[in-house]
Amino acid sequence: TQLLEQSPQFLSIQEGENLTVYCNSSSVFSSLQWYRQEPGEGPVLLVTVVTGGEVKKLKRLTFQFGDARKDSSLHITAAQPGDTGLYLCAGRPNFGNEKLTFGTGTRLTIIP
Amino acid sequence: NAGVMQNPRHLVRRRGQEARLRCSPMKGHSHVYWYRQLPEEGLKFMVYLQKENIIDESGMPKERFSAEFPKEGPSILRIQQVVRGDSAAYFCASSQYTGNQPQHFGDGTRLSIL
Repeated sequence: TQLLEQSPQFLSIQEGENLTVYCNSSSVFSSLQWYRQEPGEGPVLLVTVVTGGEVKKLKRLTFQFGDARKDSSLHITAAQPGDTGLYLCAGRPNFGNEKLTFGTGTRLTIIP
Repeated sequence: NAGVMQNPRHLVRRRGQEARLRCSPMKGHSHVYWYRQLPEEGLKFMVYLQKENIIDESGMPKERFSAEFPKEGPSILRIQQVVRGDSAAYFCASSQYTGNQPQHFGDGTRLSIL
């Protein structure tokens, strides 16, 4: 069974600070997706990374896929209250296997 | 709104009743996935379907749970003889193709068992 561990589990920081969330596994994934989920809603896709070492930017969010495709990170610059939410990473085990394995989640709170 | 549509958003059932959850994928998407999110737990894969075919049901409980995606109409997740432990949020996702294509999620059905 492939597991994705996210850290930290909870993070509360002041508006304007930077932060990094990690998603780690001992297994290789063919791709990894990051989602944000608000209470009472479904996960909303932020980004998909496919190639080892790949870096993608989405405004103040920077996503990186590890060289070995076993881990990923999400870095937020100058956090804003609107960034508050549950961040989930989800990996696809191998090409042709469509089911996603979700991480344990990081609940982020940005204090105004 | 061309997103993944799930209904009902909230469903209350008594123990022993049947629950039917519906999912209409995004327009142009022919691949549907069901996930379950138990209280204080992460999302867990249940089943992957294409039109009229179950492709992967490795996450489905062996009894009482079934899923279908007919040629016409929404995908249905059916839970027979519900028990308290079935209380959870059930999410449906869809994708256009396979092969590292992103899965887009609906807002889920919150199932509560009395």
